[in-house]
Amino acid sequence: GENVEQHPSTLSVQEGDSAVIKCTYSDSASNYFPWYKQELGKRPQLIIDIRSNVGEKKDQRIAVTLNKTAKHFSLHITETQPEDSAVYFCAAGSPARRSYIPTFGRGTSLIVHP
Amino acid sequence: DGGITQSPKYLFRKEGQNVTLSCEQNLNHDAMYWYRQDPGQGLRLIYYSQIVNDFQKGDIAEGYSVSREKKESFPLTVTSAQKNPTAFYLCASSGGDRWNTEAFFGQGTRLTVV
Repeated sequence: GENVEQHPSTLSVQEGDSAVIKCTYSDSASNYFPWYKQELGKRPQLIIDIRSNVGEKKDQRIAVTLNKTAKHFSLHITETQPEDSAVYFCAAGSPARRSYIPTFGRGTSLIVHP
Repeated sequence: DGGITQSPKYLFRKEGQNVTLSCEQNLNHDAMYWYRQDPGQGLRLIYYSQIVNDFQKGDIAEGYSVSREKKESFPLTVTSAQKNPTAFYLCASSGGDRWNTEAFFGQGTRLTVV
């Protein structure tokens, strides 16, 4: 099956700094890589995703990069704000494995200090 | 109001008792699934269903059971065989195909064994 590793487990930054969260996956058949944000006491919500036919995707202050050869993908948040504080999960999905139902990493707790 | 609804929000169970968590969606999604969330463990897949009257074990199915008699509903039973049932349980749904990969989550049920 798929195994998704996520680092770091905790990330503390100052407001305005950039934050980077890195993930690796094991199944070369995975071709869908979503990122979810879970604020304290709330449900996870999709913030951005990338498919294996592209190497990078941006949405305002958030970007994801994918290196298929290395089986590595990353989330980049620029100009961080206190409201970015949350737990972020990377995940991997495959059409052949559970119809894209995501396999999650263990999460990164991002703390943005004002 | 479209979405996915879990109930109850909090649940207390005595040791040795079975308990059922409810999950309902009105998004017309084919795929429904259950995750267990523990601190530092991320989201681990318990069971998933890609179509009515069919379901499959996820990565940590022991001590749990499910049914999928209706497209809208996917209840999870935590049985007395589950050795450490205290956790936060999240239900999710998605379209199950390459054009509808986003997982939509319920607000979760926090189960405590007393």
